[in-house]
Amino acid sequence: QSVLTQPPSVSGAPGQRVTISCTGSRSNIGAGYDVDWYQQLPGTAPKLLIYGSTNRPSGVPDRFSGSKSGTSASLAITGLQAQDEADYYCQSFDSSLSGSEVFGGGTKLTVL
Amino acid sequence: QLQLQESGPGLVKPSETLSLICTVSGGSISSSTSYWGWLRQPPGKGLEWIGTIHYSGMSFYNPSLKSRITMSVDTSESQFSLNLSSMTAADTAVYYCARQPDYPGAFHTWGQGAKVTVSS
Repeated sequence: QSVLTQPPSVSGAPGQRVTISCTGSRSNIGAGYDVDWYQQLPGTAPKLLIYGSTNRPSGVPDRFSGSKSGTSASLAITGLQAQDEADYYCQSFDSSLSGSEVFGGGTKLTVL
Repeated sequence: QLQLQESGPGLVKPSETLSLICTVSGGSISSSTSYWGWLRQPPGKGLEWIGTIHYSGMSFYNPSLKSRITMSVDTSESQFSLNLSSMTAADTAVYYCARQPDYPGAFHTWGQGAKVTVSS
């Protein structure tokens, strides 16, 4: 059971827009902690897509965008491409207990 | 360009201690704006944060693993390490080292990962 909740899977056709949600609580996203997003292609290490809830690292296409509101965050991907098919993870910080970096369970994006 | 590389045994026996090293190249491990983390991913499952350390020695551990974790930094070798004791089959995973510009915060740079299997 992950601290952050993501849908197990989403899908979309090439060119379409998809969103992946990440739902937390008052001890993590709702407490104001930022959300980060990663893309993981099969057999490879995760790659940072969004940091600080809305910022893209250099080299990440502007087709990827992040937002945060209340106890949730979202990753939006526009102009879907075949190479976007991957697992996506959200990350935040949880202040309960002694504090901990926490992740969502991951979302498998299928490009139809 | 900053690069991280994990090294260590691919096979560990139950009850033994896992020792992994992450070698940092292309940047300074002693940067005040860098924190160094360990994460893992069991087969077919999601990511789990293990802990983060700063070159000053300041460290932060996952509360669920804290009693089993020791992390350290060797600035002379540009390496940081993870020791995880009392290994069980549930610790079988790919272990990643990564850099955070701040703690808490995102992991901007990752190693390629080291597969660790716990089996007798």
